[in-house]
Amino acid sequence: DGGITQSPKYLFRKEGQNVTLSCEQNLNHDAMYWYRQDPGQGLRLIYYSQIVNDFQKGDIAEGYSVSREKKESFPLTVTSAQKNPTAFYLCASTDRGLGNTEAFFGQGTRLTVV
Amino acid sequence: RKEVEQDPGPFNVPEGATVAFNCTYSNSASQSFFWYRQDCRKEPKLLMSVYSSGNEDGRFTAQLNRASQYISLLIRDSKLSDSATYLCVVKGGGPGNQFYFGTGTSLTVIP
Repeated sequence: DGGITQSPKYLFRKEGQNVTLSCEQNLNHDAMYWYRQDPGQGLRLIYYSQIVNDFQKGDIAEGYSVSREKKESFPLTVTSAQKNPTAFYLCASTDRGLGNTEAFFGQGTRLTVV
Repeated sequence: RKEVEQDPGPFNVPEGATVAFNCTYSNSASQSFFWYRQDCRKEPKLLMSVYSSGNEDGRFTAQLNRASQYISLLIRDSKLSDSATYLCVVKGGGPGNQFYFGTGTSLTVIP
């Protein structure tokens, strides 16, 4: 079955460490996105990529980095520069076409700083 | 100003009630509109797209008013299983044809 997979589901990070969250899709979608969700808040865009080898900063990119070396994969690194990384991270993908093309989400990664 | 604004609720309604959620968006160039449902600690999932002429899917009715930049979702005959957070989502009109999410409206259906 086609879908979008995030791993791990739960991740614990010590202060000062970098961690990488995985996002893989087999939907042949061009566009991929990373969002952060905090309790009581909506989804906030961290980074997005419309095509391989290209990505753009979203609203809250500071302290994060991404790569898009393959169409299927869009990993997110949470660096030590991100001062408050504890949150629920969601990866999404979509067909880049215009119109009512919905976003499909992975199951999310819950990151906790210990 | 936020791209998408929703009343966060919470809405607590009895089973069988009708409940309506509203959402406004700021960019008149927005192209596509959706309602997503998010259960606690899970990922959002598409509930329905919203078309200009309005559309219905069973107990759910979505409407779009482009002139007022306003989207609504009506749930009739509420079920316990409808309890979730409902996200208003707007696409397009900005760089990268992005999706913009509202903060969500929390619904609890009470027996």
